Formats: sequence, C-alpha cells, structure tokens
Amino acid sequence: DAGVTQSPTHLIKTRGQHVTLRCSPISGHKSVSWYQQVLGQGPQFIFQYYEKEERGRGNFPDRFSARQFPNYSSELNVNALLLGDSALYLCASSSGPGSPLHFGNGTRLTVT
Amino acid sequence: GENVEQHPSTLSVQEGDSAVIKCTYSDSASNYFPWYKQELGKRPQLIIDIRSNVGEKKDQRIAVTLNKTAKHFSLHITETQPEDSAVYFCAASIFPGNQFYFGTGTSLTVIP
Repeated sequence: DAGVTQSPTHLIKTRGQHVTLRCSPISGHKSVSWYQQVLGQGPQFIFQYYEKEERGRGNFPDRFSARQFPNYSSELNVNALLLGDSALYLCASSSGPGSPLHFGNGTRLTVT
Repeated sequence: GENVEQHPSTLSVQEGDSAVIKCTYSDSASNYFPWYKQELGKRPQLIIDIRSNVGEKKDQRIAVTLNKTAKHFSLHITETQPEDSAVYFCAASIFPGNQFYFGTGTSLTVIP
C-alpha cells in the first residue's frame, strides 16, 4: 500500500507569490491534515479535513487555505508568501477522528 | 488551546543504556498521546501511542507511561541502539478531534 504522497518535494518561491501544495492520503483514509514544521520545532496544525469538510483550523492567517476533493486528496494554498512561510509542510492522513496520523514526506518550501 | 512541553531538547546516551523523554500537557480533556520518530530528512513516523484509559503501554524496547492527574507522559527506550538516534516528538489530542499539538522535539543521540 502506498503511503501519504505529497508534491512537490521542494519549492522555491519569491515573497508575494502564491503556492499550491498537494497531498494524496493512504487509500481508505478520509481525513487529511496539514502541518507546518519550522526547523527545530514540532509540527504545527494548520487544517484538518474529514469527508471533504473542514473540521479544524489552526492559528494561521487567512492567507492559508485548503480543500479536500471527492477522492480525499487535498490541496494547501498559501497566498502572498512571506519569508516566514519557509518551512516543511507536512500532510497527514488518518482513517478518522481520533485515529493516528500517518505523515507524508513533506514539501520543503523556501521563500526568498 | 493545548500546550505541550517536552524535555530534554537533546539527549545523548551510550548504546545499551535507557533513554527517557518527558512531556507535559495543559488541557485535561486531552485523551490521546502518540509519539513520533523523525530521522533527518524523513517523515515523522508513529512509534507508539497511548489513550487516557491506559496508564502504560509497551512495544518491545519502547514503552509509554501516562499520569493523567499530573498531566504528563513519558517515552522510555531501553537497550538503546545507534539506529534509535533521531528526533522524537510527543503529541496530544482530544478525541474525537484530529488536531494534534506537538512538543518541540528531543534530539536523541545513541553513542556506539
């Protein structure tokens, strides 16, 4: 079984630009979450989607948005990029609420 | 919201010795506590988890203990091996939600 897949693996953007990150969950998993991991820190919760509905939002500005598609894959969008958005963005899937998270390898975003 | 603190930030042990990592949480409603291992450049991987109705759980050389009254939980690794070297993160969540709050991580080095 394939694990959680994320694309792209690396991305370099300029301040003010927009970025879209993509995630495919483990087959059968209906919940997808997004986390931001800054170097040297633990992952911070951004969004959770379950059955295509937003079920949670972390303390991130409105520049961050996400959605989940009918096949349970997900996109994370970040507008008006700032230098501080540089981080590893992790997608995680789970079979449902209260179940363990299974992480993808992440997308390394660098904003210059 | 929930606040998870993790100590120590770095830990070095001789091969064969035990390692203990401790976490505290602030929200008494938290009831699910996973531990993740993240090797350099790789995804966080679930190594063990515990729910609030259990005080201790073991899986071979790894064990987790939970003290709900004191709101802290610990990871114990016995007979450490060089391949145990990684960053370990604790996390807490409130069932049935799927928002996880992570600690800041412990960098474990096992010296051969």
